[in-house]
Amino acid sequence: EAGVVQSPRYKIIEKKQPVAFWCNPISGHNTLYWYLQNLGQGPELLIRYENEEAVDDSQLPKDRFSAERLKGVDSTLKIQPAELGDSAVYLCASSTGTSGGELFFGEGSRLTVL
Amino acid sequence: GENVEQHPSTLSVQEGDSAVIKCTYSDSASNYFPWYKQELGKRPQLIIDIRSNVGEKKDQRIAVTLNKTAKHFSLHITETQPEDSAVYFCAASIQGGSEKLVFGKGTKLTVNP
Repeated sequence: EAGVVQSPRYKIIEKKQPVAFWCNPISGHNTLYWYLQNLGQGPELLIRYENEEAVDDSQLPKDRFSAERLKGVDSTLKIQPAELGDSAVYLCASSTGTSGGELFFGEGSRLTVL
Repeated sequence: GENVEQHPSTLSVQEGDSAVIKCTYSDSASNYFPWYKQELGKRPQLIIDIRSNVGEKKDQRIAVTLNKTAKHFSLHITETQPEDSAVYFCAASIQGGSEKLVFGKGTKLTVNP
C-alpha cells in the first residue's frame, strides 16, 4: 500500500512568487494534516481536515496561506506571495481519525525562497 | 496553550549504551504521548506511544514512561545501535483528544560505533 505522497519534493522560488504543494493521503484516511517544519524544530500544525472540512486552521497564516481538500481526498497547500521566512519543509500527514490514531507522514516538500 | 519541552537537544552515546530523552508538557488534559523518529531527509515515523492511563510501555529495545503528576514522559533506548541515530520528537495531545499534537523541538541522537 502506498504511503502519503507529496509533491514536489523540492521547490526553489523567488520571494513574492506563488507556490503550491500537493498531498495524496493513505486511502481511507479521513483526517489530513499540513505541518510546517523549520530546520531543527518539531512539526507545527498549520491545518487539519476531517474529510473535506477544515476543522482546525487556527495556525494557518490566512493572509498568504490557503488550503483546500476537495472531495475529501487530495489536498493542496498554497502560499501567495511567498516570503523569505517561508523557507521550510511542509509535511503532509494522514490518519484514520480515531482516538489515538498514528500519524503517517509524507516525505515533505522542501521550500527555499530566495 | 500546550507547551512541550524536550531535552537534551543533542545526545551522543557509544554503541551498546542506553539513551534517555525527556519531555515535559503543560496541559493537564493531555492524554496521548507519541514518539516519532526522523532519519535525515526522511519522514517522521511513530516508534512508540503511551496513553495517560498507563505508566510504562515497552517494545523490544525502546520503552516510554509517563509521570502524569509531574507532567513528564521519557523515551528509553537500550543497547543502542548505529541505526538508532536520528532525530527523535516527543509530542503531547491537546484539547483532550489525540487528533491535535504539539511536538517538542527534537533530540538529535548519535550512536557512535
